[in-house]
Amino acid sequence: GQNIDQPTEMTATEGAIVQINCTYQTSGFNGLFWYQQHAGEAPTFLSYNVLDGLEEKGRFSSFLSRSKGYSYLLLKELQMKDSASYLCASMDSNYQLIWGAGTKLIIKP
Amino acid sequence: GAVVSQHPSWVICKSGTSVKIECRSLDFQATTMFWYRQFPKQSLMLMATSNEGSKATYEQGVEKDKFLINHASLTLSTLTVTSAHPEDSSFYICSARDGAGWESGELFFGEGSRLTVL
Repeated sequence: GQNIDQPTEMTATEGAIVQINCTYQTSGFNGLFWYQQHAGEAPTFLSYNVLDGLEEKGRFSSFLSRSKGYSYLLLKELQMKDSASYLCASMDSNYQLIWGAGTKLIIKP
Repeated sequence: GAVVSQHPSWVICKSGTSVKIECRSLDFQATTMFWYRQFPKQSLMLMATSNEGSKATYEQGVEKDKFLINHASLTLSTLTVTSAHPEDSSFYICSARDGAGWESGELFFGEGSRLTVL
């Protein structure tokens, strides 16, 4: 079956670094997405990885290992506004997105 | 990035009535749009894929007669929740890809519509 696993909730301190992990098992693979979703709002795109390695975009970076079925989202210099849910999604062979349940990130002062 | 607009943002209705939610791509043409439902503290659940000019493709377990989808133009898809009941109360979100290729990747989401059925 198809499955996406990510932690339910994480807590971090303002100014610190946090890594949110995601493991996936899908029928085929056409890339791994990370989206940010604030409470009561629709998701917004953060990153897309299809090749192994690290993609850096400002304070956010995303890593992919296809052989391990593993990705992580790294958030640096955390700000209070980063408090949100972070959704991992894998695109399968039919180009359908399989969504994880999301990781709720709580930032404390 | 591309803009997807969804309306209404909030809707409260009585049980047994029907509610229509609109999803528009404002600055691009979307031959395919996706409708999701999200219950509190849960992930997005794909309900159906809306294809312009043809019937929608529904996911397993989603009642096509209850959730009517119409994709009449390249910029508009509508979701009608017919004979709504309290258990249909949820956050409904549409999305679309900007680009002809499926591999273009990024999905653009509407603002979402929070439906409360009394």
